[in-house]
Amino acid sequence: TQLLEQSPQFLSIQEGENLTVYCNSSSVFSSLQWYRQEPGEGPVLLVTVVTGGEVKKLKRLTFQFGDARKDSSLHITAAQPGDTGLYLCAGGGNRGSTLGRLYFGRGTQLTVWP
Amino acid sequence: NAGVTQTPKFRVLKTGQSMTLLCAQDMNHEYMYWYRQDPGMGLRLIHYSVGEGTTAKGEVPDGYNVSRLKKQNFLLGLESAAPSQTSVYFCASRTNYGYTFGSGTRLTVV
Repeated sequence: TQLLEQSPQFLSIQEGENLTVYCNSSSVFSSLQWYRQEPGEGPVLLVTVVTGGEVKKLKRLTFQFGDARKDSSLHITAAQPGDTGLYLCAGGGNRGSTLGRLYFGRGTQLTVWP
Repeated sequence: NAGVTQTPKFRVLKTGQSMTLLCAQDMNHEYMYWYRQDPGMGLRLIHYSVGEGTTAKGEVPDGYNVSRLKKQNFLLGLESAAPSQTSVYFCASRTNYGYTFGSGTRLTVV
């Protein structure tokens, strides 16, 4: 059973388009993180959100944590080829979880064409 | 450079062979993790450690063993490799803000 469901699984868009990736769960998390992974490399942390309703911006990327702390979204404005990669959401601190453990979604593979 | 270093980067094993994957971090982190990543399956936790001398099982521990004799090193062992263990293996250590991952070991078992 996957604790975090990401959608869509694949996304292929043209440069300049906007997109949103979703991360949903039936569990409440104390924090939600987003990572980006490029081929042949490990995931790299983009952002951590900890407060329900929190919105964080990182240049053209906007991250939102749901009010109930069960879901999150990543919105990219005017996507560029350099945004291409696998985007992973990860939740931490849910009830009954191992201390410090993160639960990962299966990822959204984003391809941005020039 | 500070970070998580994994060795080797690539390895091919024959079924039944054994090997050890090494993970080293120089950030003085207490928590370290071993994940495997397979297409369509995401990252699955194999084993983890909350400090020197401690280890615990994750969600897919069968066929693997780990040791954390020194704080900076977390070793993942395969005693008798099976084709089902063909995967990309990632080590990570935990900060207050998130995980720092190594660049992975691509293991193929034939």
